Amino acid sequence: DAGVTQSPTHLIKTRGQQVTLRCSPKSGHDTVSWYQQALGQGPQFIFQYYEEEERQRGNFPDRFSGHQFPNYSSELNVNALLLGDSALYLCASSNGGGYYEQYFGPGTRLTVT
Amino acid sequence: GDSVTQMEGPVTLSEEAFLTINCTYTATGYPSLFWYVQYPGEGLQLLLKATKADDKGSNKGFEATYRKETTSFHLEKGSVQVSDSAVYFCALTDNDYKLSFGAGTTVTVRA
Repeated sequence: DAGVTQSPTHLIKTRGQQVTLRCSPKSGHDTVSWYQQALGQGPQFIFQYYEEEERQRGNFPDRFSGHQFPNYSSELNVNALLLGDSALYLCASSNGGGYYEQYFGPGTRLTVT
Repeated sequence: GDSVTQMEGPVTLSEEAFLTINCTYTATGYPSLFWYVQYPGEGLQLLLKATKADDKGSNKGFEATYRKETTSFHLEKGSVQVSDSAVYFCALTDNDYKLSFGAGTTVTVRA
């Protein structure tokens, strides 16, 4: 049973560039949430996708956007990258649009130079 | 808004020592509470949870009790092993779609 997978594992970008991160949920899950984890801090909620719609959004600017595909996989896009966007980006999947039992992927480490 | 405050680390212990990590929360409703663990190089794993007051969550020798009167959810383990070295996160959800996490506590267990 495949767990949550994310790609790429690591990424280095330059300020002002755009980046796309990808996530495949655990088998049987239909909901994907994205979190940003800065070094030495706890994860911060970015947004959640359910039924291909953004269901809720945290305190992140519009530079952060996402998408969910019919197969439930998801992308996180960040435009106009800032140095402060350097972080570990975690994807979590769950079932039915809820918050229980969110299963996390290993994350994508984004470095902005 | 909702928030979680956890004991600052790092915490260094010897094997078989007793571990306590304090966690207190602020929430407007009746949240569900969680402890997640992050091993080096891995993603977050749910360690245990409690969904209502006085519930005790337990897993792998770890326990935490949901105390509404003190708004706390302290994590305990009676005898730690080297393999318990990790970062531990307390989290809550206030019947919402998101998890709110504490800053994390790094635990190192020496043989």
